[in-house]
Parts: sequence; C-alpha cells; structure tokens
Amino acid sequence: AQSVSQHNHHVILSEAASLELGCNYSYGGTVNLFWYVQYPGQHLQLLLKYFSGDPLVKGIKGFEAEFIKSKFSFNLRKPSVQWSDTAEYFCAVMPYSGAGSYQLTFGKGTKLSVIP
Amino acid sequence: DTEVTQTPKHLVMGMTNKKSLKCEQHMGHRAMYWYKQKAKKPPELMFVYSYEKLSINESVPSRFSPECPNSSLLNLHLHALQPEDSALYLCASSQEGGSAQYFGPGTRLTVL
Repeated sequence: AQSVSQHNHHVILSEAASLELGCNYSYGGTVNLFWYVQYPGQHLQLLLKYFSGDPLVKGIKGFEAEFIKSKFSFNLRKPSVQWSDTAEYFCAVMPYSGAGSYQLTFGKGTKLSVIP
Repeated sequence: DTEVTQTPKHLVMGMTNKKSLKCEQHMGHRAMYWYKQKAKKPPELMFVYSYEKLSINESVPSRFSPECPNSSLLNLHLHALQPEDSALYLCASSQEGGSAQYFGPGTRLTVL
C-alpha cells in the first residue's frame, strides 16, 4: 500500500514570501501524484497533477510542483504567496494502474497561514 | 465543468434514524467515490464505484450502505449511526481509475 508524508503541519508566511511544501511518498511502483487545496469553508480543489512527462508541472493560481523520482518527492512551490493562499494543502498519491488506481491516499495536510 | 454536487449540505440525525446522502456529477465520469473526513484530518476512502459497480469497500461498517443508481448518481444510505460517525462526507468522481478525482462540497453530518 502507498503512503504519503507531508513534513510541515503548519507553515506561516508573510505575503510575497516564497513557498515550498514538502511531500514524500512510499510505493513500490509507478504513481500519479496530486496536490489538492482546501480553502476555509470550501471543498477540496485540484491544484495540480502529475502523470508522466515533464517532472515540473504547473497548476492553477501560480502553483507548481516538481516530481523527483529518485527522492520519491513531489514538492509544491509558489514564488510569491498572497493572503488568499491561506488554506490547507494536501499531497496525494495513486497507483498508476491496476485495482489500486482508484485508491487516492492523502498526506495529513499542511496548513498555510499567510500574514498580510 | 468540473462540478460535483452533494445534498444536503448539513444533516443532523439521531442514532435510530435512516437518512441518505446524495451525489451527482454530469462530467461523464465512470468512477465515483465516497470519502469520510474528520476535522483537521485528510479524507479517508470509504467506497469506490466503477462503471456503476462497487469495486472497493474499505472495510466500512454495514450501517453505511452505498448505491449507484446510474452513472451520474451516487447515494450513501445511513442507518443506526453512532456519534463517532459525525464527519464531513465527501463525494468525488473521476474519468476512470488513475485519473484525477474531483470533489464535491460535502455533507456535514452530525449524529446525536
């Protein structure tokens, strides 16, 4: 079974600071990788996804993530955060194929607080 | 359109009640999911329907009973729940296995 580890429980940044949220996964095969965001009082939204190809993927709202296969990592980045980025961020992994390819496993989440 | 809708938004029920949660998507997705999310925790998978057939049941107690009447609808029937079942119940859908899952806003369930 796969597992996901998010290193930071709570990150506090000032506006315009750069953001990097760590995510590592454990799985013996090929995976699809995702970042989801949950704004206060809102539902989970897909931020970006990686299936194959260029390991640097761009998502919505200026976010990007880099897949480093050798490190089993999929870190989320944003050059300059805004107050509106305050939210909970979840990294998630899913086996690429087979019966497990329906099973999305989430990390415990990182709460981002951006101070104006 | 990546919208998954869920009703009701909030539900309060007693331990002897029977209620149902509903989920709908019109994206032509062939996989639909139920997740449970407790406060300050990530979502946990409960059930997966693929092509309208139950394909995954993550050892969920029988007081939760899923149903997929057609490719656009997913229900979760609730009976004799416990207070610890209080949580946000999320529905999601995806094109197929391995595809990105899109989540609905959830039903906030409180069991008294």
